[in-house]
Formats: sequence, structure tokens, C-alpha cells
Amino acid sequence: SAVISQKPSRDICQRGTSLTIQCQVDSQVTMMFWYRQQPGQSLTLIATANQGSEATYESGFVIDKFPISRPNLTFSTLTVSNMSPEDSSIYLCSAYSGTPYEQYFGPGTRLTVT
Amino acid sequence: GNSVTQMEGPVTLSEEAFLTINCTYTATGYPSLFWYVQYPGEGLQLLLKATKADDKGSNKGFEATYRKETTSFHLEKGSVQVSDSAVYFCALSEGNTPLVFGKGTRLSVIA
Repeated sequence: SAVISQKPSRDICQRGTSLTIQCQVDSQVTMMFWYRQQPGQSLTLIATANQGSEATYESGFVIDKFPISRPNLTFSTLTVSNMSPEDSSIYLCSAYSGTPYEQYFGPGTRLTVT
Repeated sequence: GNSVTQMEGPVTLSEEAFLTINCTYTATGYPSLFWYVQYPGEGLQLLLKATKADDKGSNKGFEATYRKETTSFHLEKGSVQVSDSAVYFCALSEGNTPLVFGKGTRLSVIA
């Protein structure tokens, strides 16, 4: 299994600012993903964080708004840029460790934009 | 594309009642199926999984059977406890592709 930590766990931000969320995995993993969970909703995939190359974004998400880095096999960051209240959500990092068919999740970052 | 449909909540049960949360899926290939649980204020935890047809996943008294003929993966528990109150998500993936989630079902168990 993989243990995933995220920082910060929560934050309250002003509109127009940016926040970078860090995701650390306790072992090397092949794939890392970022999801958004809007209040009372399910999880929506934002992007796949690729090590050594640009992230792969899902429809409706763009790099200028959600830049992602993945400098190595255990770490990734997601930045939420130029925030608006609609960005208030829980952002979750997840990783696929290679153990067949198991994907693990971090505890999430609860973001409130005022 | 792949998708997951699960029963709408919220579901409210008395302690020791029987639980069923329905989940059906649409997939182009042969997906693996999962149930994740999210307790209040926490992240997602893998509850159980099944990787091929007729597999039964089980954990903590919960179980679900992968039914290819009905494209279903219903979650069941014979006797729920207050501590089972959470949101339950059905999900699928193919290989190492990202999970596709259902909308989630909120379960409240009252003493």
C-alpha cells in the first residue's frame, strides 16, 4: 500500500490569489492523479501528473488554471490559480502504486475561497 | 466512455438493519470495480474491490459481487452500525487508468 500526505489540510483564500497544494507519497509510484470534490458532490478527475513531462488534463480543466508539477516519483503539486469562490472544493491527490488495481488517496485539502 | 451509476441517497437506517447500495456500470472493456468510503471530514478509503466477473470483495462485514451479466456491483452489509455512517462511492478503472466514480451515497445509521 501507499501512504499519501497533503499540505495544507485546509485553507481560506481571497479571490484572485493562488494556492499550491503539495502531495507526498511514502514510496515511488507509477501514476499520480489530482481530483476535485465540490461540496456534496462526487470526485472529478482534474489531471494525471506525469513524471518528467506535462500533466494530462481532463476536459474542462486547463494548465493555466491548474498548473501541476511532478518532479519525481513520490511528489507532486497542484496550484489553483486566480481563485474564485467556485473553486471552493476539496482537492485530493491519489496514486497508483502498481499493486494490482489499487489506487490510494490523500486526506484532501479543503479550500474555501472568499 | 466508462461510467458508474449508483443509487441516490441519503439512506437512513436503524442500527442492525440490512444495507444494500446499488451500483451499475458501463465500460468498454473489462474493468475492475471498487467501493470507497469517506467518513465525515476524512479522505477516501478503499473498502473493497473485485477485479473480474463473479469475484466477491469483502471487508469489515461489507461485501459486493462483480456481476458481469447485469453490469452490477451492489454493496451489502447484514447489520449496520452507527460507525458505518459515511458516504460510499462505487468506482471502476481499467488497468492503471484513473478511477471513474459514481455520485456517492450518504448513509446515516441511527441508534
